[in-house]
Amino acid sequence: AQSVTQLDSQVPVFEEAPVELRCNYSSSVSVYLFWYVQYPNQGLQLLLKYLSGSTLVESINGFEAEFNKSQTSFHLRKPSVHISDTAEYFCAVSRGGSQGNLIFGKGTKLSVKP
Amino acid sequence: DVKVTQSSRYLVKRTGEKVFLECVQDMDHENMFWYRQDPGLGLRLIYFSYDVKMKEKGDIPEGYSVSREKKERFSLILESASTNQTSMYLCASRGGLSYNEQFFGPGTRLTVL
Repeated sequence: AQSVTQLDSQVPVFEEAPVELRCNYSSSVSVYLFWYVQYPNQGLQLLLKYLSGSTLVESINGFEAEFNKSQTSFHLRKPSVHISDTAEYFCAVSRGGSQGNLIFGKGTKLSVKP
Repeated sequence: DVKVTQSSRYLVKRTGEKVFLECVQDMDHENMFWYRQDPGLGLRLIYFSYDVKMKEKGDIPEGYSVSREKKERFSLILESASTNQTSMYLCASRGGLSYNEQFFGPGTRLTVL
């Protein structure tokens, strides 16, 4: 069975510092990998995803994630965070096919302090 | 833009009441999902539907049922609400295959007293 582990439930950082949110998954088959973000009092929205090809994927707001097959990881990074990045971040994995559903990690709350 | 709307942002019900949570999407998506979100547990899939009148159980279907009579609407039903169903409920929709983005509604925070 597939599972997703987010190793940190909370990550406090200061503004302009780098951050890494860790995600490991377990699966015996090829998967698709996602990061979703949930800002306060909102639903989730897609941040970035890995399907195939280049192992480094980027979002429009400066986040990037690297797919590492040997370590079964998909860590999310940003070199310099802003106050507005304060949110909860969810890593998710999906099987392929038309009915493959997302399996979410438990989330990491990123708190950016001035 | 895809829009997924949920009928209520906040709802307070009493134990034993029948509760309906409604979700509507405007992008003609085949797939719709209901999740519950609890602190420290992340999102857990309750039910999903990949077509009108079709439904499949997710990971935690006990105590819930769903209805999908029209493509754009997916309803979650709590037949007899209990206090352990106090939670945030998120609806999502997705077009096409599983590598496509799921679009989420803003959520309904349900409190059962």
